[in-house]
Amino acid sequence: AQSVTQLGSHVSVSEGALVLLRCNYSSSVPPYLFWYVQYPNQGLQLLLKYTSAATLVKGINGFEAEFKKSETSFHLTKPSAHMSDAAEYFCAVSGGSNYKLTFGKGTLLTVNP
Amino acid sequence: DSGVTQTPKHLITATGQRVTLRCSPRSGDLSVYWYQQSLDQGLQFLIQYYNGEERAKGNILERFSAQQFPDLHSELNLSSLELGDSALYFCASSARSGQNNSPLHFGNGTRLTVT
Repeated sequence: AQSVTQLGSHVSVSEGALVLLRCNYSSSVPPYLFWYVQYPNQGLQLLLKYTSAATLVKGINGFEAEFKKSETSFHLTKPSAHMSDAAEYFCAVSGGSNYKLTFGKGTLLTVNP
Repeated sequence: DSGVTQTPKHLITATGQRVTLRCSPRSGDLSVYWYQQSLDQGLQFLIQYYNGEERAKGNILERFSAQQFPDLHSELNLSSLELGDSALYFCASSARSGQNNSPLHFGNGTRLTVT
């Protein structure tokens, strides 16, 4: 069984500040990890994915995430927040014999001017 | 645009009624997934179909059912609706191989309101 815990349901940063959204996973098999973003009234869009090729994964819109097996973490970062980054972010894990994604509860990112 | 089409965008109905949500996956994708998103439960996996066959089941109520047709579109049927069924229902599709590392591509969802 797999699970994802996102620490902080709401994160608020100033424009230009570092964005750090935390995700810890639990998986009995080597995991595949994903970050998705959801803008208001829209579906989820893939930001980036980890599939064991490299521990540091670069995604769209300047986001990146680092897979740390020893910490079972896959935190999402962006060096400098932009107003357009305001959205809800979901971490997700898959693996094993079925292909479904298990999502965290999401972190709402607010960017203040 | 993800290429996944969901209809209708909004649905308002009364308790006890039955509704059907429709999803057309991205061209070439054989896997279809249904998720329910609500404020209290977050994103909950309901069910997955792969090339017409049920592949995985999640937290889907017995009042709910789904199917995937030969043309690969899928329908989610919700019956005996209750107020608590009000939520956003997302459909997603993934690559033909249905592999674990294939990302899901989501539609924009159907917002169901039960009154």
